[in-house]
Amino acid sequence: QSVLTQPPSVSAAPGQKVTISCSGSSSNVGSNNVAWYQQLPGTAPKLLIYDNDKRPSGIPDRFSGSKSGTSATLVITGLQTGDEADYYCGTWDSSLSAGFAVFGGGTQLTVL
Amino acid sequence: QVQLVQSGGEVKKPGASVKVSCKASGYTFTNYGISWVRQAPGQGLEWVGWVSGYNGNTNYEQKFQGRVTMTADTSTSTVYMELRSLTSDDTAVYYCARDKNAQVREYWGQGTLVTVSS
Repeated sequence: QSVLTQPPSVSAAPGQKVTISCSGSSSNVGSNNVAWYQQLPGTAPKLLIYDNDKRPSGIPDRFSGSKSGTSATLVITGLQTGDEADYYCGTWDSSLSAGFAVFGGGTQLTVL
Repeated sequence: QVQLVQSGGEVKKPGASVKVSCKASGYTFTNYGISWVRQAPGQGLEWVGWVSGYNGNTNYEQKFQGRVTMTADTSTSTVYMELRSLTSDDTAVYYCARDKNAQVREYWGQGTLVTVSS
């Protein structure tokens, strides 16, 4: 059972837009920045978005993120077949004195 | 460029221990911490803990407390994760990742498959 809640799967046609949600609580998403990771089949995760809405160098602007309250959202526009992957949100949870990192359960994106 | 190169896959029997290494390059090792994240077959990502590249301080996920030890060797820019008393539930790919900050795992290693089987 993951601390952050994501839909198990989403799908859309090439060229379309897809939205992936990430729901948490006041101790994690509500009080810390959110990151998003892309995991292509058989590979390690890759940082896609950090600090809610910032893209690392080399990440196309088709990928965007936002956060409001205890929820965060990843939007992918102009879908390509190469975007088929698992997407994870992640942040820090401050509910314990030392804190700990948390992830969503992951969302599998299918480009039809 | 930042690179994290992990040791090879391991097969262990239940009750045994495993030690996985992660050699860092392309940045100043002591300026960043390293997290370990695992992924069981067909499952999501699970944070195991963190070790400071500066002073070796650690922070472990509560469920692994007492069973995991993470260390950092500044002379070789290598971090290690040892997990003891292995069960089949520990079968997973273990990733090391350089942390940008507490919220962000910025660069990832290629992963190390640890298989626990009798």
